Amino acid sequence: DQQVKQNSPSLSVQEGRISILNCDYTNSMFDYFLWYKKYPAEGPTFLISISSIKDKNEDGRFTVFLNKSAKHLSLHIVPSQPGDSAVYFCAASARSGGSNYKLTFGKGTLLTVNP
Amino acid sequence: DVKVTQSSRYLVKRTGEKVFLECVQDMDHENMFWYRQDPGLGLRLIYFSYDVKMKEKGDIPEGYSVSREKKERFSLILESASTNQTSMYLCASSSLGRNTEAFFGQGTRLTVV
Repeated sequence: DQQVKQNSPSLSVQEGRISILNCDYTNSMFDYFLWYKKYPAEGPTFLISISSIKDKNEDGRFTVFLNKSAKHLSLHIVPSQPGDSAVYFCAASARSGGSNYKLTFGKGTLLTVNP
Repeated sequence: DVKVTQSSRYLVKRTGEKVFLECVQDMDHENMFWYRQDPGLGLRLIYFSYDVKMKEKGDIPEGYSVSREKKERFSLILESASTNQTSMYLCASSSLGRNTEAFFGQGTRLTVV
């Protein structure tokens, strides 16, 4: 049973336009959400995160929105650049016994930004 | 600069071999994780550890074991490699507590022939 879902396997946008990547989750115990970016043959790198007490977090060109009632979050990239082309993973954190937390990842969305 | 280092970028092993994947972090993190990434399946958690000699099964532990004898080192062991374990393996570490991100190594592309 997939607890973090990225329903779009791929997304293609023009350079300069907005990219919107979506993520849905089912586990109401998730309280911290993250986006990672991954290039081929490299490990994922952390991009941006949001706590469940917020509904928006912004960092430069990247903004993450959280709608708790809909169990939905999205990553907006404005303006999109060719270097943003990568696989983007949505991740959610929940307690796993004691004070430990573990991340659950979605399947990823391949973003292609065309020049 | 934080660093998670995996011992090999590429590895080719034969079916039935015992395989060790090593991971070292220099951030004094309590938590360490092993994931595998497969096309269309995303990142799936194999095992994680929140302290030396402690381990917990993730979502797909079958066919794998782990070892954590020192805080900075977390090893993934394939007891008897099979072709369906051909994958990209990713190690990660994080500090204790909520609202912390995990830092990943560069990955090991394992091919079992």
